[in-house]
This record gives sequence, C-alpha cells and structure tokens, in this order.
Amino acid sequence: DTEVTQTPKHLVMGMTNKKSLKCEQHMGHRAMYWYKQKAKKPPELMFVYSYEKLSINESVPSRFSPECPNSSLLNLHLHALQPEDSALYLCASSQKQGEQFFGPGTRLTVL
Amino acid sequence: GEDVEQSLFLSVREGDSSVINCTYTDSSSTYLYWYKQEPGAGLQLLTYIFSNMDMKQDQRLTVLLNKKDKHLSLRIADTQTGDSAIYFCANLDNAGNMLTFGGGTRLMVKP
Repeated sequence: DTEVTQTPKHLVMGMTNKKSLKCEQHMGHRAMYWYKQKAKKPPELMFVYSYEKLSINESVPSRFSPECPNSSLLNLHLHALQPEDSALYLCASSQKQGEQFFGPGTRLTVL
Repeated sequence: GEDVEQSLFLSVREGDSSVINCTYTDSSSTYLYWYKQEPGAGLQLLTYIFSNMDMKQDQRLTVLLNKKDKHLSLRIADTQTGDSAIYFCANLDNAGNMLTFGGGTRLMVKP
C-alpha cells in the first residue's frame, strides 16, 4: 500500500462547530505532516510528527490541534474556525529523511 | 527564512519540450523535488535529485541541478495535454523534515 488517504474529501462547517480531519498511511513511515494550501499558493507546513515527536509552525493558531494516535494515523482537530481558514488541507508522510508522499487533501469551507 | 522561487506561468504546444525553472537560497539543501498538482488534487511526487548530483533522467523527465548557482530545472520532453498542471519545486532542509516549496509554475499545454 503506497497511498496516503484522507477523510473527508470535502467538509463544510460553521464557526462554532468542532470537526476532525483524518489521515492514514500504511507505508511504515515515521513522519507525518499537515499542510494548509490556499488557492494558487504553495502548501504551508502546519505540523510535523516525527517518531511521535510534534513540531509546530508557531504561526498556526490554537484552533487547530493535531493528534497522532499511532504511527499510521494523524488527525487534525478543528474548533472555532474562521472563514479565512477555508483551504485545502493536505496530509503527507515520509521516512525520516526522504520524499514526502501526499494525500488527496480535504477541501474545507468555513461559513 | 529560506526562499524558493519559480516563474508563474509557462505555455507550450503539445509535442514540444517544457522547461520549468526554480531557484533556491538554502545551500544546505539535501534533496530537491518536483511535485505536480492537478486541479482539486493533492501533490504528486514526480522526481527528485540528491544535492551531489547534477542531472537525473526518468523517462520524459530530466532534472538539472546547478548547485553553484542554486538553480534547478525540470524538462518534460514531448509534452502532452495531460501534463497541464501546477508544478512545484521544493527543497529539503538539512534535518530532513522541512520542505520549502516554490510558488508553483502553471504549465498550460495547447493542442
């Protein structure tokens, strides 16, 4: 299995909702990532879990919180989001030092 | 921070070669990557080159690296309409975790 899967594919939520994005890989990779991508822009790194250790882009607001239940799964919990958080959220995984494989993304719209 | 830059747009005719260019500032980059993104999709890893190489060929793709000038290029031979997409170059930092992306080049292939 050489895929990174993400669910849901699309999500529409209000500013008071709590939702979660899910990401899964079965390639034995020990690093997993969340990126945010706005239209016509490159992906911006939000979080990295590498060997269960979390690294954070300090510009990411606290209304986003990652969770790594095990080395194959990565969740992104969303709470009290703003309309400007609407974007494509991409998950990726890699070996410790190597190419990152991306999932298809979750298209998030915040109303 | 470190920068990766690309031209915004390239238009070619079907059957011609396409050359997409990228410049970067981080001299400690270990690997450099080319990703392809089609509309509404995630990023697909096309190819990569290790920083001690100057060329890599993979079927229709040729990557050239000029480490002295910090210049990377991707040549697509016999470009097809299915190659129309946004192409991102990215470099991997010395620690092996952080990818820095260029702004992306939109390739349009005319029949």
